[in-house]
Amino acid sequence: QVKLVQSGTEVKKPGASVKVSCQASGYTFSSYNMHWVRQAPGQGLEWMGMITPSGDRASDAQKFQDRVTMTRDTSTSTVYMALSGLTSEDTAVYYCAKDSSNWSFDFWGQGTLVTVSS
Amino acid sequence: QSALTQPASVSGSPGQSITISCTGTSSDVGGYNFVSWYQQHPGKAPKFMIYDVSNRPSGVSNRFSGSKSGNTASLTISGLQAEDEADYYCSSYTSSSTWVFGGGTKLTVL
Repeated sequence: QVKLVQSGTEVKKPGASVKVSCQASGYTFSSYNMHWVRQAPGQGLEWMGMITPSGDRASDAQKFQDRVTMTRDTSTSTVYMALSGLTSEDTAVYYCAKDSSNWSFDFWGQGTLVTVSS
Repeated sequence: QSALTQPASVSGSPGQSITISCTGTSSDVGGYNFVSWYQQHPGKAPKFMIYDVSNRPSGVSNRFSGSKSGNTASLTISGLQAEDEADYYCSSYTSSSTWVFGGGTKLTVL
């Protein structure tokens, strides 16, 4: 069965960077895009970006373009999302979500809480 | 890219039907049949419920159905059950090759 297992809770100071991992299993990792979605406390879902199977091209929401880097390691079936220049507004649960090949997200990781506080 | 517009809350009694709307623009909902819906219970990851406007993934109850007219998509839940109480989010592919979510709708089963 498809599983996406994310790294654990992070606490960061303003201005710092964070890198969240998402290890996939149960499907052909190199055949599907992976998305990142975040959810601030008590708020809705926000799409951040996507990385293609080759990792050569990633699509990002404009508001994150200067701060987010998405990479993938096919040898470990893991994708990474790094976010720099953290502020309190980046406090959120970050999810990886597998692309369904139907313009949607069929499997989700358990989420990683990132707290930004001085 | 602005978030798609959903009602903040809807409610219904067990056995009834409810509909949640999701309004966008011709650059997203109206321009593509790539609308999907997700159910999220408190403290849990979202669950995939509908894709391509009206298709259900394997394992999703046929009480859940989707439709679209113009720039507005809709999710209908029939035969409401207590376990349907959750937050629901729509999403659409956009003309900028990005995705956008709705603000979310809290469903209360009375």
